[in-house]
Amino acid sequence: DAGVTQSPTHLIKTRGQQVTLRCSPKSGHDTVSWYQQALGQGPQFIFQYYEEEERQRGNFPDRFSGHQFPNYSSELNVNALLLGDSALYLCASKKGQGATGELFFGEGSRLTVL
Amino acid sequence: QKEVEQNSGPLSVPEGAIASLNCTYSDRGSQSFFWYRQYSGKSPELIMSIYSNGDKEDGRFTAQLNKASQYVSLLIRDSQPSDSATYLCAVRNMNRDDKIIFGKGTRLHILP
Repeated sequence: DAGVTQSPTHLIKTRGQQVTLRCSPKSGHDTVSWYQQALGQGPQFIFQYYEEEERQRGNFPDRFSGHQFPNYSSELNVNALLLGDSALYLCASKKGQGATGELFFGEGSRLTVL
Repeated sequence: QKEVEQNSGPLSVPEGAIASLNCTYSDRGSQSFFWYRQYSGKSPELIMSIYSNGDKEDGRFTAQLNKASQYVSLLIRDSQPSDSATYLCAVRNMNRDDKIIFGKGTRLHILP
């Protein structure tokens, strides 16, 4: 049973560039959430996708956007990168809306912005 | 007031003792509560979930929930060096939205 998979695992960008991170949810899961975790902090909610639509959004600027595909996989796009965007980006999946809500995380994509 | 608050630690506990981790939350309507363990450089791993007042035990772990006090705790019995990690408390209010909100985490260090 494949868990949540993310790619790439590590990447380095420069300020002003754009980045796309990818996520495949755990088998049987249809809801994908993205979190940003800065060093020494807890994960911060970016947004959640269900049925190919953004359902919830955290306090992140419009530079952060996403997409969910018919196979439930998801992408996170960040435009005009800032130094402060350097973080571990975590994808988490669960089954359905309004279920028990237990999230399962991928190993993350560590983004460094220089 | 932050939505989920945890003491950042580090909390140092001798091997074999009981580690007690605490969390308070501000949204009185929260219904789901989770404890995640995160090793350095790794992603969070779900270790306990609790939905009703009282205690829930799973092996060496016990989660305790007191909704009146808006307080969640995690007890780890017979602490092992492998329990050294950051423990994240997370809460969810299904009636408000479907977001799961995390605290900053408590660093736990088990002393051999």
